[in-house]
Amino acid sequence: QQQVKQSPQSLIVQKGGISIINCAYENTAFDYFPWYQQFPGKGPALLIAIRPDVSEKKEGRFTISFNKSAKQFSLHIMDSQPGDSATYFCAASRDGSARQLTFGSGTQLTVLP
Amino acid sequence: EAQVTQNPRYLITVTGKKLTVTCSQNMNHEYMSWYRQDPGLGLRQIYYSMNVEVTDKGDVPEGYKVSRKEKRNFPLILESPSPNQTSLYFCASSLDWGLMNTEAFFGQGTRLTVV
Repeated sequence: QQQVKQSPQSLIVQKGGISIINCAYENTAFDYFPWYQQFPGKGPALLIAIRPDVSEKKEGRFTISFNKSAKQFSLHIMDSQPGDSATYFCAASRDGSARQLTFGSGTQLTVLP
Repeated sequence: EAQVTQNPRYLITVTGKKLTVTCSQNMNHEYMSWYRQDPGLGLRQIYYSMNVEVTDKGDVPEGYKVSRKEKRNFPLILESPSPNQTSLYFCASSLDWGLMNTEAFFGQGTRLTVV
């Protein structure tokens, strides 16, 4: 049983469009929610992260929206570029750190030129 | 260059033949861990280590062993590999000091096939 459910499994977006990836969790003990980006043949790399005391965090074209009551969080990529084509994983942990991350199943994003 | 190095990158082996995947980090990180990545399941933690000689089970530890004799190295050992351990494996490390452990640095992965 997956504790962090991620959707969609794959996403195709035109260049300049908005990419939205959603995650939902059950465990209310989770208190740290990072997103990782993985390019083919590479390991995941931290993209952006949020803690439940804020509802939104923005870094450049990437924004995390967090809804604590609904136990959902999402990644928005504005002005999507072909270079953003990668697999994106949401994750959650219980102790506010990157020690024991529970990952979602991943979303393969393709941005068409 | 700060990095986590795994070897080998690719490995094909036969059922029951013991193997070791090495992992080394040059960032003086206290915390290291192993994950396996499978389609539709994301990454799942196998084992982790909070420092030298301190290791503990993650979510899917069955069939794996680890050791942490030095701070920089964290090898993953499969004593008797089985086909269901065919997967993509990642080693990760992170600074574990106070509240600073917020980013896991991943190696490039080891694709293991057990036939």
